Amino acid sequence: GAGVSQSPSNKVTEKGKDVELRCDPISGHTALYWYRQSLGQGLEFLIYFQGNSAPDKSGLPSDRFSAERTGGSVSTLTIQRTQQEDSAVYLCASSLEKGQGASGVFFGSGTQLSVL
Amino acid sequence: AQSVAQPEDQVNVAEGNPLTVKCTYSVSGNPYLFWYVQYPNRGLQFLLKYITGDNLVKGSYGFEAEFNKSQTSFHLKKPSALVSDSALYFCAVRARMNNNAGNMLTFGGGTRLMVKP
Repeated sequence: GAGVSQSPSNKVTEKGKDVELRCDPISGHTALYWYRQSLGQGLEFLIYFQGNSAPDKSGLPSDRFSAERTGGSVSTLTIQRTQQEDSAVYLCASSLEKGQGASGVFFGSGTQLSVL
Repeated sequence: AQSVAQPEDQVNVAEGNPLTVKCTYSVSGNPYLFWYVQYPNRGLQFLLKYITGDNLVKGSYGFEAEFNKSQTSFHLKKPSALVSDSALYFCAVRARMNNNAGNMLTFGGGTRLMVKP
């Protein structure tokens, strides 16, 4: 596609339920990032993929959060047993990546997650 | 570890006046610096980047930013603000991860720009 696509754009769920957020990066982009933006906060790094592997998972806030990427393309971020503090906008981004690549990082429009 | 500071939560400017949104950074090695803008209910949009070369970088919508290595700053500027420039602006630095596995963007906390008619 022309840009980074995220779905759903909005998700309302009940506390304790599991949710899956999807990211479809720009075709050919090998690097994929997940960030979280809480209300009134800056962007919090969650996880980074290079191809299908995730060399840095240090930003995942708890073991309820996991992410995978298959085929070097689509990624899903899964939050198990959601809590109210998980409510935020989850942003996905992708970039061409080769070592110290200087290309830009392009963002999707995000998924607004609301946990009731 | 890299970090980015945006010291102002909000900047208020009158339409037609010049604007500056401040950003300072800390990173090992040469920095790659970025500015993004976020309009309400929208994702982040790329404005401009500094990789190497001229310290003054020109970007989208008439914005520019000046890289100052000695002051470790990358302030965003525009000569004449528009009401439509009102949005949330994020500065970011890109640095190699400690495990040499790739790069990641570290963002500042964001600055809300309010341009009044």
